[in-house]
Amino acid sequence: DARVTQTPRHKVTEMGQEVTMRCQPILGHNTVFWYRQTMMQGLELLAYFRNRAPLDDSGMPKDRFSAEMPDATLATLKIQPSEPRDSAVYFCASGLSGSPLEQYFGPGTRLTVT
Amino acid sequence: DAKTTQPNSMESNEEEPVHLPCNHSTISGTDYIHWYRQLPSQGPEYVIHGLTSNVNNRMASLAIAEDRKSSTLILHRATLRDAAVYYCILRPNSGNTPLVFGKGTRLSVIA
Repeated sequence: DARVTQTPRHKVTEMGQEVTMRCQPILGHNTVFWYRQTMMQGLELLAYFRNRAPLDDSGMPKDRFSAEMPDATLATLKIQPSEPRDSAVYFCASGLSGSPLEQYFGPGTRLTVT
Repeated sequence: DAKTTQPNSMESNEEEPVHLPCNHSTISGTDYIHWYRQLPSQGPEYVIHGLTSNVNNRMASLAIAEDRKSSTLILHRATLRDAAVYYCILRPNSGNTPLVFGKGTRLSVIA
C-alpha cells in the first residue's frame, strides 16, 4: 500500500532554530505539494513542484522558508530562523500531473516553536 | 478560484445515511467537484470527484445538480470512523493543481 511518508512526525524547537521537514512522495508521482494547517487559517498551500521544478511558492514567507526536491524521492521544507507563528501541522501530498487527479497526503509534521 | 459553501457542522446517527451539501453557484464549465475528508490527527484523504454525472465508489456517492450549482456527498451508512471534516473543492480540469480548502463540514457520528 503506497503512502506518502513524512519525517519527523513531531518537532519542538526554540525560536531562531532551523527546522527541516522531509517528505517521500509515492513512487512514480511527479507532483509534490506542501500545505500548512493552523486553527486560524485552516489548510493553505505553501508550495508545489512538478517533475522536481518549483511551480508556485507564493504561499511561503520567502525570507525564512525554502522548499526543494533534491531528487524525485525526497522533498524538503526548511524554516530558518523559525518563529512561534510557524507552529502548525505541515502536510506533504503527492500526485500525478495527469488523470487521476487525486492527491495523497502524508501524516504531517506537527511543529511547535517556543 | 470558484468558491464553495458548506455547513459548518452536521450530526448523524450511526448506520444512517448522511447527506453533506455543498453550494458552488459560480462553478465554471470545466471545474470538477472534489471531496476530501480529514479524520482526526490525519492528513486529508480523497473521497470522490465528478463533473456532471452522479458518481459512486466504495466510500461514497456524489450527486450533482443538473445546473451544477450544488452537489451532495452521500455516505450510505455512517460509522463512527466517518467522523471527520469533509471538504468540497472545485478544481479546473488542467492537471493536478493545488487544492484550495475552505472550512469544510465537521461531521459528528453518534453511536
